[in-house]
Amino acid sequence: GQNIDQPTEMTATEGAIVQINCTYQTSGFNGLFWYQQHAGEAPTFLSYNVLDGLEEKGRFSSFLSRSKGYSYLLLKELQMKDSASYLCAVLDSNYQLIWGAGTKLIIKP
Amino acid sequence: ETGVTQTPRHLVMGMTNKKSLKCEQHLGHNAMYWYKQSAKKPLELMFVYNFKEQTENNSVPSRFSPECPNSSHLFLHLHTLQPEDSALYLCASSEEVEQGGTEAFFGQGTRLTVV
Repeated sequence: GQNIDQPTEMTATEGAIVQINCTYQTSGFNGLFWYQQHAGEAPTFLSYNVLDGLEEKGRFSSFLSRSKGYSYLLLKELQMKDSASYLCAVLDSNYQLIWGAGTKLIIKP
Repeated sequence: ETGVTQTPRHLVMGMTNKKSLKCEQHLGHNAMYWYKQSAKKPLELMFVYNFKEQTENNSVPSRFSPECPNSSHLFLHLHTLQPEDSALYLCASSEEVEQGGTEAFFGQGTRLTVV
């Protein structure tokens, strides 16, 4: 079966750095997405990786290793507004998105 | 307002009721999706429409009936639902289905409670 694993919840301190991991087992691979979802709001796109390596976008970076079936989202200089759920999703060989259950990130002052 | 708009935002319905969820996108996208989001569970893809044609129906019970009259509008008709159908129902759109790297734009969802 297809499976996406990510931690259920993480806690970090304002101003610090946090890394949210995602491992996947899917039938084929056409890219990996990270979305952010604040409570009661729509998920919003953060990043897309299809090749191995690190993609940096401001305070957020996303890394992919296709051979390991692994990705992480790195958030730097954490702000209180970064408190949200972070969803990892893989586009499989049929171009269907397979979603993880999301990681709830709690930022403390 | 551009983007994806869903109405209503909240809905409480009895198990014998019939109601409809509406989704509208103003992004010029050709693909639209219905997802179910339950607490602490992955997003569940329910239906996919590509160029107004349904391309995916992931074993969704017949009490959920989608309708896509044009590329900008998507409905989810509900009837004789069960309490376990209570969830957040999200609509999304993207340029096309079979296009790697195409991000999906989500509406804010309809919080459905079945009593």
